[in-house]
Amino acid sequence: EVQLVESGGGLVQPGGSLRLSCAASGFTFSSHWMGWVRQAPGKGLEWVATIKQDGSGKFYVDSVKGRFTISRDNAKNSLYLQMNSPRAEDTAVYYCARVCTTCYYPVRFDDWGQGTLVTVSS
Amino acid sequence: QSALTQPASVSGSPGQSITISCTGTSSDVGAYNYVSWYQQHSGKAPKLIIYDVSKRPSGVSDRFSGSKSGNTASLTISGLQAEDEADYYCSSYTSSSTLAFGGGTELTVL
Repeated sequence: EVQLVESGGGLVQPGGSLRLSCAASGFTFSSHWMGWVRQAPGKGLEWVATIKQDGSGKFYVDSVKGRFTISRDNAKNSLYLQMNSPRAEDTAVYYCARVCTTCYYPVRFDDWGQGTLVTVSS
Repeated sequence: QSALTQPASVSGSPGQSITISCTGTSSDVGAYNYVSWYQQHSGKAPKLIIYDVSKRPSGVSDRFSGSKSGNTASLTISGLQAEDEADYYCSSYTSSSTLAFGGGTELTVL
């Protein structure tokens, strides 16, 4: 069974930093594109970032470019999102998600974690 | 990186059918057959219910179906049931190697 468990969320001040983690199990982590999707309170889903199997390809939504960094450690079956200089508008539940098994490109997310809440406030 | 356009809300009675539209552009919905639909119940994580425009993952009811014409994709739910009440989101792969989501549609089963 695929399991994705996020951690690291909490309260962070604007301009601070926070690192989200996602522990993956139940599948061959190193074979999958992975990504982060967020959902602001009462709002819709927003794709944040995606990373290739070996970490060589990374894509970001324009609003986080230069501030957030997606990374992975295949030896630890873990995905990360380093959030630097967060803003109030980054407040959201952040979901870790697995891209489809047979997909060469990151065209969809087949499995999702339960999410971790990040609140950016002074 | 624009969001796809969905109606904010739809409603239907048990047993009826409803359709949710998802309009994009020639750089996303119109460019690829990589449209997906997700169901999200309140307080829960999203769940994939349709992928590649019209395919259903194992375990998803055949009451859910998808289609696409040009830059607009659609999700149809037939034989509405109370458990279908949820938020529904479309997404599409884009020519920039990103993913675009729709704004979401709240389905109310009357």
